[in-house]
Amino acid sequence: QVQLVESGGGLVKPGGSLRLSCAASGFTFSDYYMSWIRQAPGKGLEWVSYISSSSSYTNYADSVKGRFTISRDNAKNSLYLQMNSLRAEDTAVYYCARPVSHSGYDFDYWGQGTLVTVSS
Amino acid sequence: SSELTQDPAVSVALGQTVRITCQGDSLRSYYASWYQQKPGQAPVLVIYGKNNRPSGIPDRFSGSSSGNTASLTITGAQAEDEADYYCNSRDSSGNHPVFGGGTKLTVL
Repeated sequence: QVQLVESGGGLVKPGGSLRLSCAASGFTFSDYYMSWIRQAPGKGLEWVSYISSSSSYTNYADSVKGRFTISRDNAKNSLYLQMNSLRAEDTAVYYCARPVSHSGYDFDYWGQGTLVTVSS
Repeated sequence: SSELTQDPAVSVALGQTVRITCQGDSLRSYYASWYQQKPGQAPVLVIYGKNNRPSGIPDRFSGSSSGNTASLTITGAQAEDEADYYCNSRDSSGNHPVFGGGTKLTVL
């Protein structure tokens, strides 16, 4: 069965960095675009970034552009999000998600999420 | 602000039918998908595409669209349907996903 397991969240000071990971299993990871989606406490869902199946194309929300970098390692079935220059408003649960179709914009599998807290 | 607009809260009596709506210009060109999220849990896809339900989603959930408005209809709402519901589609340029602000559904 499809599984997505995020890790790497934690408490970080403003201006700091953090790297999130998502381990995928149960499907051919290299066939799918993958996304990071976040949810601030008590707020709605916000798409953060996606990466194409071969890493040739990435896209970012304006709110994180220039600070966050998405990457993947298809040999390790893993997705990553490098977060730099973190701000208080980046505090959220971060989910990795797989699209319904290989490059779609809707998501049928989500991880359980990892909490990132940016605070001094 | 989100490019997709949802009512913040909707209520329905147990067993009755409720429609949750999502408005946005991009919905004239792209389908909306719908997610159910319960407290402390990850979102669950309930409707995608024209009106498709993933395996395991009850057939009381259905989707429709007209003009710039997409709708999620729950026919015969159950207590377990009480949750937050989010719509999702593409942004107006078609380049990336966007989510609505969410609707909190209360089943009375």
